[in-house]
Amino acid sequence: DAGVIQSPRHEVTEMGQEVTLRCKPISGHNSLFWYRQTMMRGLELLIYFNNNVPIDDSGMPEDRFSAKMPNASFSTLKIQPSEPRDSAVYFCASNSRGETFFGQGTRLTVV
Amino acid sequence: KQEVTQIPAALSVPEGENLVLNCSFTDSAIYNLQWFRQDPGKGLTSLLLIQSSQREQTSGRLNASLDKSSGRSTLYIAASQPGDSATYLCAVRPRSNDYKLSFGAGTTVTVRA
Repeated sequence: DAGVIQSPRHEVTEMGQEVTLRCKPISGHNSLFWYRQTMMRGLELLIYFNNNVPIDDSGMPEDRFSAKMPNASFSTLKIQPSEPRDSAVYFCASNSRGETFFGQGTRLTVV
Repeated sequence: KQEVTQIPAALSVPEGENLVLNCSFTDSAIYNLQWFRQDPGKGLTSLLLIQSSQREQTSGRLNASLDKSSGRSTLYIAASQPGDSATYLCAVRPRSNDYKLSFGAGTTVTVRA
């Protein structure tokens, strides 16, 4: 398996624009997570899905953030409108009753 | 609420020395504990997973121990190499039906050649 695949790897956008981050979890994994990492706050869990259903979205910072998982092999994290304080590395991870595996992340810069 | 602490925050050692990284957690009722490595600008790479019923796990030069009752795990890296320089994070999972991980802030290791 190629592991957890995220796209794009880097994204630079202007404040106010919509940003969509994409994730393909490891095949057969039934849990998917979106994390955000910054120097100030470290790793923060934004939301996680189990069997495509959102289980805990308490980490989603504001209504500007939304996440979907339309099927077992794809998830998106959308920020609309984006703000400079959203600049961070966003990680997707997946798990199936054992180890959690992370993607390489999307480095988002909002200018 | 589970709190995970990693001390020290940074560590610098000469090549060849053994590394000892500490992780402590406040709630001993965990399902498993996982150690990760993160290189600058990269994602997290899983190193070792220890189930709550296990005392230790080994992979090559890496050995992780778990003492649930005292809320501690230790990652040992034998005969360190410059390529071991990275940030090491531990994460605990609370229950079998709860997949959320609680992460420590990490220990940044520098191995000097």
